[in-house]
Amino acid sequence: NAGVMQNPRHLVRRRGQEARLRCSPMKGHSHVYWYRQLPEEGLKFMVYLQKENIIDESGMPKERFSAEFPKEGPSILRIQQVVRGDSAAYFCASSPTDTYYEQYFGPGTRLTVT
Amino acid sequence: KNEVEQSPQNLTAQEGEFITINCSYSVGISALHWLQQHPGGGIVSLFMLSSGKKKHGRLIATINIQEKHSSLHITASHPRDSAVYICAVRLGNDMRFGAGTRLTVKP
Repeated sequence: NAGVMQNPRHLVRRRGQEARLRCSPMKGHSHVYWYRQLPEEGLKFMVYLQKENIIDESGMPKERFSAEFPKEGPSILRIQQVVRGDSAAYFCASSPTDTYYEQYFGPGTRLTVT
Repeated sequence: KNEVEQSPQNLTAQEGEFITINCSYSVGISALHWLQQHPGGGIVSLFMLSSGKKKHGRLIATINIQEKHSSLHITASHPRDSAVYICAVRLGNDMRFGAGTRLTVKP
């Protein structure tokens, strides 16, 4: 059973470009969480999704950031018009059903905005 | 004041020593997680606790809900245990993370 997959592992974007980060949950997991780890800071919750539903996006910046988890395919975290402050490690985690199960983390995507 | 406080921030130990990392939180939670982040950056979930104690190999995690406190213990520490250990508490859908404890185990 493959773990949580994230790609790309490293992504470099120029200011103003779009970044698309992908997360494939573990097989059988229908719940996905995205977290951001800014340089020298701790992890912060961004968004919680189930298939085709955003359950909680209270940690998402109001502008330029969006997330989806379609019926088929990976979850996508999309950052439009990236700025230097978006440079961070973005982790996704998945769990089998609801929030009361252990979360399994992916390896993360390191976004660098130049 | 952070909702999740970890101590110590940094910890250096000699191989074989018994390690304790503490986590205190100030909010009502549904579960507490201990995570391990290696120098390469990947995160591994070690434990999820809502009460009592769990053991996995040389790792032991305890939680006292009344005192809002959890500890992570490592017995017979080894250099490969060197990592950042992060305490995280579940608040509904949200997860709040401690700043992490950087553990270095010297041979």
